[in-house]
Amino acid sequence: DGGITQSPKYLFRKEGQNVTLSCEQNLNHDAMYWYRQDPGQGLRLIYYSQIVNDFQKGDIAEGYSVSREKKESFPLTVTSAQKNPTAFYLCASSPAGGRPGETQYFGPGTRLLVL
Amino acid sequence: DQQDKQNSPSLSVQEGRISILNCDYTNSMFDYFLWYKKYPAEGPTFLISISSIKDKNEDGRFTVFLNKSAKHLSLHIVPSQPGDSAVYFCAASGTDNTDKLIFGTGTRLQVFP
Repeated sequence: DGGITQSPKYLFRKEGQNVTLSCEQNLNHDAMYWYRQDPGQGLRLIYYSQIVNDFQKGDIAEGYSVSREKKESFPLTVTSAQKNPTAFYLCASSPAGGRPGETQYFGPGTRLLVL
Repeated sequence: DQQDKQNSPSLSVQEGRISILNCDYTNSMFDYFLWYKKYPAEGPTFLISISSIKDKNEDGRFTVFLNKSAKHLSLHIVPSQPGDSAVYFCAASGTDNTDKLIFGTGTRLQVFP
């Protein structure tokens, strides 16, 4: 089955710790995205990548980092610089980045909690 | 902050009746609009979309209306079913030659028997 997988489903972070959220897709999509959802708010874009080895900051990139070494993988690292990391993190992909109107397909999400 | 504004954070509708979810936007450069449905602890799933050259798009029980002059988007679900109970997000794209989406704040729809 084609789709997007995110792991883990739940992740706990200690103060001062970096954690990495995994996102893998086998849809052969060029573009991938990371969003953050907080209660009562919409999805806010953290980072996006339209092609392998290239990525761009979204609206709330501070305290996060990404890499795009493979087409199917787009891991997100939440660094210790992110002061309020508790949120639901969603990864998405779309067939071709750079074309308005492309539908994005989402993974099941990872809930990050700070201990 | 360019987030679309979804007028009602929650909506409760009886099964079989019409559900109308509304979304206002401010950026007139948006040219493609989408609705997503989200269940708790899951990722959003695409529901229906509309291009700015149209004012209506219909898919089964779901119809999206676009009023460009009013910068207003709405989703009609008729007849509503209990399985429609979820959070609905409007989203828009098209301002900068990418497919980046700007999402609304979401409306929680509850359909009761």
